[in-house]
Amino acid sequence: KAGVTQTPRYLIKTRGQQVTLSCSPISGHRSVSWYQQTPGQGLQFLFEYFSETQRNKGNFPGRFSGRQFSNSRSEMNVSTLELGDSALYLCASSSGDGGNYGYTFGSGTRLTVV
Amino acid sequence: AQSVSQHNHHVILSEAASLELGCNYSYGGTVNLFWYVQYPGQHLQLLLKYFSGDPLVKGIKGFEAEFIKSKFSFNLRKPSVQWSDTAEYFCAANRGSYQKVTFGTGTKLQVIP
Repeated sequence: KAGVTQTPRYLIKTRGQQVTLSCSPISGHRSVSWYQQTPGQGLQFLFEYFSETQRNKGNFPGRFSGRQFSNSRSEMNVSTLELGDSALYLCASSSGDGGNYGYTFGSGTRLTVV
Repeated sequence: AQSVSQHNHHVILSEAASLELGCNYSYGGTVNLFWYVQYPGQHLQLLLKYFSGDPLVKGIKGFEAEFIKSKFSFNLRKPSVQWSDTAEYFCAANRGSYQKVTFGTGTKLQVIP
């Protein structure tokens, strides 16, 4: 079966712009989580969606938001981009609960803010 | 705050050497524990997981980890590493069902042929 698909793979944006990242989970997976990965910081939890509802949220400013659609696809949006938002954004899906079953990760979207 | 600590940031080993990567978590009570691996140019993959029962967990590619509750630790081990084990290894934990999963900062393992 197809893995977790994230688009686009690479993005270059200017400070102040906004960006939308997309994630298509494995077919049948209803849970989608988003992480920000940076060197030295590891993976920082952004949020988790399950059946279109945000189930958990990390400690990121309100500029970071997300949503999940009825087909389980998820998007995350970052508004008013800052240089520090440059990172690899990872999406992970799980059949029910990533904290019990473990995640399947996508390859990520590399965002560069200039 | 919940945290997961990996004290070894970069480990260099020769092939056939034994491996032990440390992982400590900060919260008591129910805990689920994971090790993920990221090979160069590839996405993160689940290596093994612990929920309950036998504290010695065996994963893929000959890896195992031991949950020691009294030490809040979940160290990853492999008796004999190979060059193909060169990767970054992440420990992760959460407090139980439907709770967010917190990752450590990762340990880069370099295996020299």
